[in-house]
Amino acid sequence: AQSVTQLDSQVPVFEEAPVELRCNYSSSVSVYLFWYVQYPNQGLQLLLKYLSGSTLVKGINGFEAEFNKSQTSFHLRKPSVHISDTAEYFCAVSGGSNYKLTFGKGTLLTVNP
Amino acid sequence: GAVVSQHPSRVICKSGTSVKIECRSLDFQATTMFWYRQFPKKSLMLMATSNEGSKATYEQGVEKDKFLINHASLTLSTLTVTSAHPEDSSFYICSASLVAGEQDTQYFGPGTRLTVL
Repeated sequence: AQSVTQLDSQVPVFEEAPVELRCNYSSSVSVYLFWYVQYPNQGLQLLLKYLSGSTLVKGINGFEAEFNKSQTSFHLRKPSVHISDTAEYFCAVSGGSNYKLTFGKGTLLTVNP
Repeated sequence: GAVVSQHPSRVICKSGTSVKIECRSLDFQATTMFWYRQFPKKSLMLMATSNEGSKATYEQGVEKDKFLINHASLTLSTLTVTSAHPEDSSFYICSASLVAGEQDTQYFGPGTRLTVL
């Protein structure tokens, strides 16, 4: 069984500040890890993913995440956020061959001017 | 690449009617598609996994006779909410997995907002 914990339900930050959205997971098998972003009334857009290889993954819109196996974490970071980054962010994990995703509960990032 | 569309984006229907939602992978073939339901300010709940040419696999607690899923081709899956009731009102999102190249990556559609009066 897999589970994902997003430690912060809401993260308010000021524009141009750095941000880190935390994600921890548990799984009994090797995992693939994902971050998705959801803007209001829209579907999910893939930000970045870790399948294998380098543990530092760069995604779209200036986001990056680091896979830490020993800490079972996959935190999302951006050095300088914009107002347009305001959205809900979901961390997700899959493992095995059925491609099922298990989502965290989401973190609402609010960027204030 | 990896674009998934859904139609309609928004539907309002009367209680007791059936509603069909289409999910299409526009630029890739998807052997597996997924249907999710999202309640306001909540995460996504997987309803079922749909494989082309075979019966869908439903998650525990999801009524297969209520939510009919058909995956007729490698680019199209449909979800039919039968005899819809107000409690079925929700945001329904589909996703599709690439067949080859980038395994284990799901690409999501824009969602369908269903309101049952």
